Amino acid sequence: LAKTTQPISMDSYEGQEVNITCSHNNIATNDYITWYQQFPSQGPRFIIQGYKTKVTNEVASLFIPADRKSSTLSLPRVSLSDTAVYYCLVGDINTNAGKSTFGDGTTLTVKP
Amino acid sequence: DVKVTQSSRYLVKRTGEKVFLECVQDMDHENMFWYRQDPGLGLRLIYFSYDVKMKEKGDIPEGYSVSREKKERFSLILESASTNQTSMYLCASTITGTSGSTETQYFGPGTRLLVL
Repeated sequence: LAKTTQPISMDSYEGQEVNITCSHNNIATNDYITWYQQFPSQGPRFIIQGYKTKVTNEVASLFIPADRKSSTLSLPRVSLSDTAVYYCLVGDINTNAGKSTFGDGTTLTVKP
Repeated sequence: DVKVTQSSRYLVKRTGEKVFLECVQDMDHENMFWYRQDPGLGLRLIYFSYDVKMKEKGDIPEGYSVSREKKERFSLILESASTNQTSMYLCASTITGTSGSTETQYFGPGTRLLVL
């Protein structure tokens, strides 16, 4: 299973764009990249998922270079409520029934 | 919306007790998972199940067992609780993906277990 590496923590200010990078050098051909957000005392919540290039939804963008050995979650114009832990997850959900590996997570702190 | 519920938010047990953590999902998902989450260690997969009565070990199955008798329910069992099993336990479920697609995990609110 692909192991992921993320920064332990990041600080930002309200209104700024935040980019969190996840390294997954051993990503397999069938692996997807998924990002989750977790607030204290809650379970993780899906943010965005992608396989290659760029994916955008109403919450975030996900940039994946051609070699797929890393990915970057981009949060535009963060607010205080975006303070949370962000997890990068890499795995082949279809063949391994979800046996994917969570990274250690990045604690994002948004300051006023 | 998918709803994943866990039987307890907080639980206090004594060393050696048998502990049952129950998880129920209401969306007919095939796959269900149990994780534990500890400070500095992130989420670690204990067991998962891809069908009724089917189970597979995750990364840290030692000291745990699971039961999946019905599709909507996945139980985590600590046969003899120990203090190092004090943790936050998270249950999740997903639907089996079709070719070319994949699914996301829906998590429950978590059970914070304290073993004394």
